[in-house]
Amino acid sequence: QKEVEQNSGPLSVPEGAIASLNCTYSDRGSQSFFWYRQYSGKSPELIMFIYSNGDKEDGRFTAQLNKASQYVSLLIRDSQPSDSATYLCAVNMKGFQKLVFGTGTRLLVSP
Amino acid sequence: EPEVTQTPSHQVTQMGQEVILRCVPISNHLYFYWYRQILGQKVEFLVSFYNNEISEKSEIFDDQFSVERPDGSNFTLKIRSTKLEDSAMYFCASREGTSGGYTDTQYFGPGTRLTVL
Repeated sequence: QKEVEQNSGPLSVPEGAIASLNCTYSDRGSQSFFWYRQYSGKSPELIMFIYSNGDKEDGRFTAQLNKASQYVSLLIRDSQPSDSATYLCAVNMKGFQKLVFGTGTRLLVSP
Repeated sequence: EPEVTQTPSHQVTQMGQEVILRCVPISNHLYFYWYRQILGQKVEFLVSFYNNEISEKSEIFDDQFSVERPDGSNFTLKIRSTKLEDSAMYFCASREGTSGGYTDTQYFGPGTRLTVL
């Protein structure tokens, strides 16, 4: 069973729409959850993290966490073509320092 | 804004040669990491380093790999005898380590692309 799973996409949305990116994880002891954005050939860039159940908003981005369902999501409102990138979900499991990454979801925002 | 830096940006080497990848973490950070990403695949953890010793390592991090913090600013990854399958992007990351851990984010450097011929 994969530790962190994401749909590889691509997820295509028109400019101005809401993009919804999903991630599931296998370890119930996971403590914190991170969303990174990665442009092709570049390094992961932190968007936001969440560790409590519920929603966390930062500008156009909202992270949602449901620990009972082992599910974390990222909503991007008013999507822009510059948001086109691969979005990586990363999980930090309790007792471990490492981040475990999913394969990422490629998002394409068309003008 | 402080950032993690890495050198070189691209390293080409022959199979069997030793390479050293260099990183300068953010200055007040205490925890350092190496990850790698093979082209088209996910980011994979290699090793974490704290207080001048390895705190965690993955199965990938075998005897061919080593890490070192030779001075107060640099953090290096050495691959002793490179293999074709070591070709990947190598990312250094650091985190502050003072906020209790689980909300403490890792900041990534720009990466070194290693090509083994």
